[in-house]
Amino acid sequence: AQRVTQPEKLLSVFKGAPVELKCNYSYSGSPELFWYVQYSRQRLQLLLRHISRESIKGFTADLNKGETSFHLKKPFAQEEDSAMYYCALLLNQAGTALIFGKGTTLSVSS
Amino acid sequence: EPEVTQTPSHQVTQMGQEVILRCVPISNHLYFYWYRQILGQKVEFLVSFYNNEISEKSEIFDDQFSVERPDGSNFTLKIRSTKLEDSAMYFCASSAGLASGELFFGEGSRLTVL
Repeated sequence: AQRVTQPEKLLSVFKGAPVELKCNYSYSGSPELFWYVQYSRQRLQLLLRHISRESIKGFTADLNKGETSFHLKKPFAQEEDSAMYYCALLLNQAGTALIFGKGTTLSVSS
Repeated sequence: EPEVTQTPSHQVTQMGQEVILRCVPISNHLYFYWYRQILGQKVEFLVSFYNNEISEKSEIFDDQFSVERPDGSNFTLKIRSTKLEDSAMYFCASSAGLASGELFFGEGSRLTVL
C-alpha cells in the first residue's frame, strides 16, 4: 500500500542548529516526492520536489530509494523556518493523487 | 498572483444537512482536487477531477460526496447528508499539469457538523 510516514510530530531546535525532518515512503511504482510547507496563517504551498534537485530557502532533500526516504535538511535553521512541513508522494500510475504524511511541526527558537 | 479561493471560510451545519463547499481554481489550471484535514490529523486526499470527470478518488469519497464543475470557474464539493465525523477543514487545490505535483491550495473551508 502507498504510504508516507513522518515519524516526528514536533521538532524543536535552536536558531543556527541543523535540521532534519524525516520522511519515509512506501510505493510500488517510481516515486515522485515533494515537501510542502504551511506557515502560520498561510496556505499550504510547495517547498521543493525531488526531481528538481534544488535548494529552496536553504532546504534540500535527497531521495534515497534504498532506504525509501526523502528527508528534508537545512544546515542552519532560522526562526522564520518555523512551520508545519508535509512530505507528499505523487501517485502517478492509476490517476492523479498527491498523498501527504501527517506532517511535522518545526519550531525554531532563539 | 493568482490564487485558489474557497467559500465559505467557515460553515456550521446540523447533522443530516447537505453542504456545498465552493472553490474557484486558478484560471488556466486543468486539474482540481479536494482534500480534508480533521483536527489534529493529516491532510487526506478525497478526489481529483480532470476534463469534467473524476480522475481518482479515495476510500473516504463515498456516495455521500460529489463534485461538480457547474461552470467555467467554480469547482464544488457536495456532502449530501453530513455526519459528525465530516467536521474538518476542506482544502481545494488546482494544478496546471498532471505530473508536476505542484498543487496550489486554497485557504480552506472549515466545516463544523453539530
